[in-house]
Amino acid sequence: ELKVEQNPLFLSMQEGKNYTIYCNYSTTSDRLYWYRQDPGKSLESLFVLLSNGAVKQEGRLMASLDTKARLSTLHITAAVHDLSATYFCAVAISNFGNEKLTFGTGTRLTIIP
Amino acid sequence: DSGVTQTPKHLITATGQRVTLRCSPRSGDLSVYWYQQSLDQGLQFLIQYYNGEERAKGNILERFSAQQFPDLHSELNLSSLELGDSALYFCASSVVSQLTEAFFGQGTRLTVV
Repeated sequence: ELKVEQNPLFLSMQEGKNYTIYCNYSTTSDRLYWYRQDPGKSLESLFVLLSNGAVKQEGRLMASLDTKARLSTLHITAAVHDLSATYFCAVAISNFGNEKLTFGTGTRLTIIP
Repeated sequence: DSGVTQTPKHLITATGQRVTLRCSPRSGDLSVYWYQQSLDQGLQFLIQYYNGEERAKGNILERFSAQQFPDLHSELNLSSLELGDSALYFCASSVVSQLTEAFFGQGTRLTVV
């Protein structure tokens, strides 16, 4: 059974600092997703990583994928308060042409002014 | 706005009751996925439909069932409700059976009292 682990679970950081969220998964996968969720809200797609070595950046967020290590990272640069949210990674597993997403535990990020 | 519509947004019901959650996918999307988000279990995949047919099953209880109708909207039926069924239930849709990118609805918050 696929396991997806994120760490840390909680992260409190000051504005302007850099930090990285880690996502480890246990079996081979073709795709990895990062989502953002604000309290009580839906999941917003941030990045889709499709291949080994993939790197994507949007504003202060950068995601990367190492399929050999089964590891993805979400790097936050010069954090600002608006980035406070819970971040989930999700791993896609294909089965006879159908996929399902298995989500990590989430990382609750709080940016302190 | 993801284009995925879920109703109702909030639902409060008593133990033992039955409820139906509704999801309208984005225009043109054939796949619908249901997820449950609870504090203790995190985000769990329940079930997937593609063009009216069940395609993948996750951790869905026998008390729960779903279907996708010819107009592609989907309903998740939860019966013999227990306190532990209280959660956010999300619906997501994608164009094809393989997840290129899934768009999530706003969710239905179910509270069982």
